[in-house]
Amino acid sequence: QSVLTQPPSASGTPGQRVTISCSGSSSNIGSNIVNWYQQLPGTAPKLLIYSNNQRPSGVLDRFSGSKSGTSASLAISGLQSEDEADYYCAAWDDSLNGPVFGGGTKLTVL
Amino acid sequence: EVQLVESGGGLVQPGRSLRLSCAASGFTFDDYAMHWVRQAPGKGLEWVSGISWNSGTIVYADPVKGRFTISRDNAKNSLDLQMHSLRAEDAALYYCAKGRGPTPRDWPDYWGQGTLVTVSS
Repeated sequence: QSVLTQPPSASGTPGQRVTISCSGSSSNIGSNIVNWYQQLPGTAPKLLIYSNNQRPSGVLDRFSGSKSGTSASLAISGLQSEDEADYYCAAWDDSLNGPVFGGGTKLTVL
Repeated sequence: EVQLVESGGGLVQPGRSLRLSCAASGFTFDDYAMHWVRQAPGKGLEWVSGISWNSGTIVYADPVKGRFTISRDNAKNSLDLQMHSLRAEDAALYYCAKGRGPTPRDWPDYWGQGTLVTVSS
């Protein structure tokens, strides 16, 4: 069981806006930044959001992140078929003294 | 262009050892922390270990503490993971990843394609 809790699946239709939640605790999300990774089928993860809401160069502004208290969320607007992937949240955990990942959310574009 | 190329994976019997390597290029290697992250087949991501730019700070996930050793050679732009006493639950695709900054708290921003470790008798 992952330290950070994500819904195992999410779905939406093209053009729709979807959000993926990530729930943690005071030792991780509550006191550290959150990052999000996208893993397309059969490929390595890609950094999608860092420092809660920052996009690396090249990441489209359809992707956005937010954090409040011990929870975070990833929003994807204007959903496209190529967004079908697994999405992982991640944060440093002060109690474990290491990074922790969420269990991942499989996004399906209907 | 950042490139990370892992090698050393393979089939190993339980209790045996294996050494993974990662060759890095396209960035100033000794400015950044490096990480190993693994993914069991059909499962999620699990961080394994991280090492600071100068090897001064090293951290491990609890499941591998005392069995795995991470190291780096800044002169050769390489990262290693020595794995001992391998267990069935260590079987996974092991990714080498570059940190965004110099310490293990700096999250991975670039990942290699991974090397597969299979643990079976």
